[in-house]
Amino acid sequence: DVKVTQSSRYLVKRTGEKVFLECVQDMDHENMFWYRQDPGLGLRLIYFSYDVKMKEKGDIPEGYSVSREKKERFSLILESASTNQTSMYLCASKRILSNQPQHFGDGTRLSIL
Amino acid sequence: SQQGEEDPQALSIQEGENATMNCSYKTSINNLQWYRQNSGRGLVHLILIRSNEREKHSGRLRVTLDTSKKSSSLLITASRAADTASYFCALSTDSWGKLQFGAGTQVVVTP
Repeated sequence: DVKVTQSSRYLVKRTGEKVFLECVQDMDHENMFWYRQDPGLGLRLIYFSYDVKMKEKGDIPEGYSVSREKKERFSLILESASTNQTSMYLCASKRILSNQPQHFGDGTRLSIL
Repeated sequence: SQQGEEDPQALSIQEGENATMNCSYKTSINNLQWYRQNSGRGLVHLILIRSNEREKHSGRLRVTLDTSKKSSSLLITASRAADTASYFCALSTDSWGKLQFGAGTQVVVTP
């Protein structure tokens, strides 16, 4: 089975801090994704990556950046955390073929105080 | 936004009953996928149905797709308490496989 591991289940940070969320997958998937999930809004795509060092903006990239130095690891960075970035963050990966499902980690519930 | 819209937003049923939820969308799709999310956890993939397919089954799950009406339905038969979760439809509209998610249907199955 595919395993997508997010480094923290819960995280509390302060406004203005630089925050790193890490995601690792063990199935050699080419594509990786970061979403945020807020009540009533479903999942919204922040960034995705289709290869090492390659990244594309999703629907809500403002205030975030990403890094993919190795194929298995995709990091989400909050450059200067703000309270409106308090949310559940979900990482996913999939094979590059279009008709393949995404595999999700358990999520990181991030609170910015 | 190209996301799907699920209906109903919430559904409460008893064990043994069937649960049906619908997803409507406005754009052309490559495929449509259904996911389940247990409280506070990540999403689990249930079924992927391609745009040229009309129906798929997986265990107690049945998914239909009507591209002329731009709608899909997920049927869970003989529901169990363990089926209590949120269910999301997700649209795949590009070659990268990016997904557009709806807001989900919360299903509660009482014993």
